[in-house]
Amino acid sequence: GAVVSQHPSWVICKSGTSVKIECRSLDFQATTMFWYRQFPKQSLMLMATSNEGSKATYEQGVEKDKFLINHASLTLSTLTVTSAHPEDSSFYICSAHPRTSGSSYEQYFGPGTRLTVT
Amino acid sequence: DQQVKQNSPSLSVQEGRISILNCDYTNSMFDYFLWYKKYPAEGPTFLISISSIKDKNEDGRFTVFLNKSAKHLSLHIVPSQPGDSAVYFCAASDGFQKLVFGTGTRLLVSP
Repeated sequence: GAVVSQHPSWVICKSGTSVKIECRSLDFQATTMFWYRQFPKQSLMLMATSNEGSKATYEQGVEKDKFLINHASLTLSTLTVTSAHPEDSSFYICSAHPRTSGSSYEQYFGPGTRLTVT
Repeated sequence: DQQVKQNSPSLSVQEGRISILNCDYTNSMFDYFLWYKKYPAEGPTFLISISSIKDKNEDGRFTVFLNKSAKHLSLHIVPSQPGDSAVYFCAASDGFQKLVFGTGTRLLVSP
């Protein structure tokens, strides 16, 4: 149980285009989903927290107009990288907090999406 | 500003021996700590956690020790197995769900 999927797992796009990444909780409902970014040999950096039906909360330094997050249902959150540039190339990972969890720290992670902007 | 640090990028251990992975933090507001294991092309999976009111938590072969005065925690794996080879991340939280991750330590357990 507690499986989180991401699609696509790997994407290459041209500079200036937009890319949408999906994060789904397959066997549980998630009130909160988190989006992280990981550069090579660096830690996972939290980008934003999204709650179902409300606007995402972005971390300091993360451009909300560039990284659009939509959490339209209890099992799906999307991250759209708009007008992508080579410096946006990174590994994007989502995680989901189960609605029925008794711990505020419980998160299940997706396998990640490798974005390469050329 | 790296609030959670794992100063050893890699660690090699022989099968059957103890693996000790270390983690230091700077934010005294952190009150909950977690260890995750990550294989290539997969998301992190939860291993073990510890609350700041404890100094030790054990789960099978995995034990986490917390030294609040030193702002240091460690993960002990005994005995180490080849299947334990992965990247290990420590993470910390100040109680508001958000996790701050370290840079990870790659553990290699050789037969």
